[in-house]
Amino acid sequence: SQQGEEDPQALSIQEGENATMNCSYKTSINNLQWYRQNSGRGLVHLILIRSNEREKHSGRLRVTLDTSKKSSSLLITASRAADTASYFCATPYSGTYKYIFGTGTRLKVLA
Amino acid sequence: DADVTQTPRNRITKTGKRIMLECSQTKGHDRMYWYRQDPGLGLRLIYYSFDVKDINKGEISDGYSVSRQAQAKFSLSLESAIPNQTALYFCATSARDQPQHFGDGTRLSIL
Repeated sequence: SQQGEEDPQALSIQEGENATMNCSYKTSINNLQWYRQNSGRGLVHLILIRSNEREKHSGRLRVTLDTSKKSSSLLITASRAADTASYFCATPYSGTYKYIFGTGTRLKVLA
Repeated sequence: DADVTQTPRNRITKTGKRIMLECSQTKGHDRMYWYRQDPGLGLRLIYYSFDVKDINKGEISDGYSVSRQAQAKFSLSLESAIPNQTALYFCATSARDQPQHFGDGTRLSIL
């Protein structure tokens, strides 16, 4: 079964609005990563947050991590049409250095 | 030039054929991965390699084999392709405990 599961599966918003997507995982982790995938392309790394961090920012992106609830959220502020993509969280599997990806959130930003 | 290059980008072949997908990287990373992506299932790990002499099975290795010819090259083979191996295949690389860098994928169709 998947280690990370994103929620919602799909999200449609208007340009300028904020988009929030969530990731839940099952085992203890030392870090969690978020990736973006544009249609037909490879995944691109967005942010890595370590288990001793609660929040991290990168431009219009804000990631939070709650290890007690085994969950993370990705917030994209002031969304743009170019943010339309699928977003995945990835967590290390059971203390190893291999990563398990969730099924992703498909974000559509309407101009 | 891309840091992680996958060839071919698209391939259509017939059931029973042997297929090799190739991946090369210029990032100098020691870790390389092969994933497949199916609609609604996210990415699933097929094989991974932490150095030239280290090859490990992932979640779904049955029907696949790999070869790490050099630090920069990691190929995936389907010995006898079957239709349910139709998918988008991604190669990725990483340094230890760092984000993964993905190629743009190979779209494989098996008739």
